[in-house]
Formats: sequence, C-alpha cells, structure tokens
Amino acid sequence: GESVGLHLPTLSVQEGDNSIINCAYSNSASDYFIWYKQESGKGPQFIIDIRSNMDKRQGQRVTVLLNKTVKHLSLQIAATQPGDSAVYFCAENMGALGNSGGSNYKLTFGKGTLLTVNP
Amino acid sequence: DGGITQSPKYLFRKEGQNVTLSCEQNLNHDAMYWYRQDPGQGLRLIYYSQIVNDFQKGDIAEGYSVSREKKESFPLTVTSAQKNPTAFYLCASRGQGARGNQPQHFGDGTRLSIL
Repeated sequence: GESVGLHLPTLSVQEGDNSIINCAYSNSASDYFIWYKQESGKGPQFIIDIRSNMDKRQGQRVTVLLNKTVKHLSLQIAATQPGDSAVYFCAENMGALGNSGGSNYKLTFGKGTLLTVNP
Repeated sequence: DGGITQSPKYLFRKEGQNVTLSCEQNLNHDAMYWYRQDPGQGLRLIYYSQIVNDFQKGDIAEGYSVSREKKESFPLTVTSAQKNPTAFYLCASRGQGARGNQPQHFGDGTRLSIL
C-alpha cells in the first residue's frame, strides 16, 4: 500500500515463500499499470505491466492482478529469493502529457514497498 | 548494450552553483523524462521531452532547466534557484507504442548533494 510520511511499508518473508505486494491507485480512468523493482542506489527496473482490459498477467515467477472495482493492483512473486529484496512500486498511466494527442501518457508512481527476504 | 546512461553517479553542488546531470540513451526512444526521488516519496516529474528540440515542464520544474538537441541526450541543469536540490535524480526514456502503452525505462540515477 501507500506509505505515510517518510517510512515505506515493509514486507518481510522467508526465502521460498510467496510474496504479495499491494498498491492502491488513484484514477479510475487509468488504463495501463506497471510494476518496478528498485534496488538500493539503482534506478527502477521494469518487472511487468498490465492493461486495464485485463485482470491478470503472468511473467516469470511474477503475476500482476488488477481489480478495477476497488482500484487495486497487486504483484505476486513466487518462491521469493534473497535477490528479490528491493523496493517495489507501482505506476499508473493517468493520461496524456501536453499536446501529444494522447500518444504520450503520464506515469504517476506510488511510494513503494520494501521487500526483505530472509534466508 | 542498449540502455540509459546517467553520469556522474554522485555530484556535489556548492552554494550558488549550477550543475548539469547527463542522460544518454541508445534505445532510439523519442520520449525522455527527468524525475526526482526523495526518501519515502514517489518519483516526481521535473521535465519531459517527446521529441528532439521539444520539451515541457513537469510537476516540479522550478529551479531546473533542460535541453534536447539530440535524440540520444537529455541533460538536466539544476540551477542555483533550486533551493532544495539534494535528491536522487532519475532519467527515463520510452519508445512509442499504440496509445502510449509502453513502460518507461530508467537509468541508474545521479545522487546530488549540497556541499
């Protein structure tokens, strides 16, 4: 979920367990959503995306679920590994930037969740 | 290797000084973006450019300037007017897809601090 103040929500799991990271998005008109992983001192890394005409999409060890009724997005990581430890955040595509005619959308980012995997 | 390169990784600014952060991409992407990341906050958009020789202000453009003279390059200048410049700066680019549904890809950031 979203953070309050300067402290990120945290999720601590044991290696091999499944992880579920949640995100509440703000705009019911958003039509595209992305999950990113950010390791300390690095830039965000694309994990998986989903369009609003879908409610589930699977990748390698990751699944994204979209519930448009309650504006909720989740990222499931199967068999979590120590290398999965990072901050995860969602982004929603809220609409067009400038005078692009709809071809260049603006991403709005959540504050992130810190995932810690214990060996 | 295709990707986005930001330099330097660490940068220090003195009082009253302008500093320029470099962002280069070889992904042949038209759109490029600059974000600022502060602890406990989401990324905030500073400037964006959809095509060469065009750029627009984002949500927090005050105290910053950019140029886009080449497709590959989108440098960000943090001017002395930016009174709280200490942050992690991220550059991103995005290819054009149908209805904008392409993810932005990021560089590894520049951490700017005040001396």
